[in-house]
Amino acid sequence: EAQVTQNPRYLITVTGKKLTVTCSQNMNHEYMSWYRQDPGLGLRQIYYSMNVEVTDKGDVPEGYKVSRKEKRNFPLILESPSPNQTSLYFCASARGSNYNEQFFGPGTRLTVL
Amino acid sequence: KQEVTQIPAALSVPEGENLVLNCSFTDSAIYNLQWFRQDPGKGLTSLLLIQSSQREQTSGRLNASLDKSSGRSTLYIAASQPGDSATYLCAVPGPYNTDKLIFGTGTRLQVFP
Repeated sequence: EAQVTQNPRYLITVTGKKLTVTCSQNMNHEYMSWYRQDPGLGLRQIYYSMNVEVTDKGDVPEGYKVSRKEKRNFPLILESPSPNQTSLYFCASARGSNYNEQFFGPGTRLTVL
Repeated sequence: KQEVTQIPAALSVPEGENLVLNCSFTDSAIYNLQWFRQDPGKGLTSLLLIQSSQREQTSGRLNASLDKSSGRSTLYIAASQPGDSATYLCAVPGPYNTDKLIFGTGTRLQVFP
């Protein structure tokens, strides 16, 4: 089954404790992206990647890092999480580029205390 | 700057009704428009992607239309069911150098038996 998976689905952590949210897709897509969703603010892009070793900032990259060492994986790293990073996070992928149909993961609900 | 708006923000209807959800965008130079469904606290499911050269796209009880010149798209849901209850989001690709989706504000739909 073609899908985008994220782990963990739910995470409660404390300020400053480094964490990684994994994202993996099995559709051989070149394009991958991370969004966060907050009430009243909608979905905002954090980072995106056009292919292996090619990443770039989205609208709200502060406090986040990403890497794209393999085509299928695009982990989101929070080196020192803060309470304002409490949010619902989504990973997405698309064939080729952002201009093709995008497929989203199930989401990761992160709470930073 | 592209802005995407959805009206109404919320809709509650009895089962069996035919529905129209609206999506408006300010910059008509779009490459395509994608409709998503989001269940509470869950991921986005792609419903339909309509290319800028298309007028309509259909999938089952769903029909999406696109009028670029007027900056509008509509999602028509025929014979609504309680299982259609969700938030519906439309999205367009951002400007050429941004590689992101710009999402609408969403319509929260409730279909009651």
